[in-house]
Amino acid sequence: GAVVSQHPSWVICKSGTSVKIECRSLDFQATTMFWYRQFPKQSLMLMATSNEGSKATYEQGVEKDKFLINHASLTLSTLTVTSAHPEDSSFYICSASSDKGNTEAFFGQGTRLTVV
Amino acid sequence: GENVEQHPSTLSVQEGDSAVIKCTYSDSASNYFPWYKQELGKRPQLIIDIRSNVGEKKDQRIAVTLNKTAKHFSLHITETQPEDSAVYFCAASIGAGKSTFGDGTTLTVKP
Repeated sequence: GAVVSQHPSWVICKSGTSVKIECRSLDFQATTMFWYRQFPKQSLMLMATSNEGSKATYEQGVEKDKFLINHASLTLSTLTVTSAHPEDSSFYICSASSDKGNTEAFFGQGTRLTVV
Repeated sequence: GENVEQHPSTLSVQEGDSAVIKCTYSDSASNYFPWYKQELGKRPQLIIDIRSNVGEKKDQRIAVTLNKTAKHFSLHITETQPEDSAVYFCAASIGAGKSTFGDGTTLTVKP
């Protein structure tokens, strides 16, 4: 299967600072990437959909100014959590799709964010 | 938007028994239904999937059935083993990899 790499795998930051998470498709071109958030013992909740070269589409209730998404190339999307607060602590996971009629998406390994 | 309900939330079985997890979805346009196994702190791992033009699919001890009319699909694991213990998620997708996930089922297989 296709490989999606997410970095960093974990990060601890101080409240009020910003954190950037990268999601890379290593062996295919990802037309579309998805960002999910998963709180402990809960399901994956879609935050936003990003398409290469265009603005991300955010799900209802997700603040676009707080969670900045950039998809500047077909192999890289970034999620920046701005002015992070303890309630932003969560597991963030990206997935990528090549959009070639195959609806399977490939997940990154996830990033554990802890805001202190 | 799509809504996916998953039951049960927890399931405990004896090693060797079968386990069944059921999901329903709301959007008739959904056409792809993956099942994931997730271990603590790790990414979801695709274990089996089914597309809307197929009613059943099997891969060794794992099978999935889909009833489009009723909008429900199920995961069946036979001859369960302790290493099958994990959280399982169903999902429904309309296309291009965008999925709505169920709330998850914590499966415990007792040796």
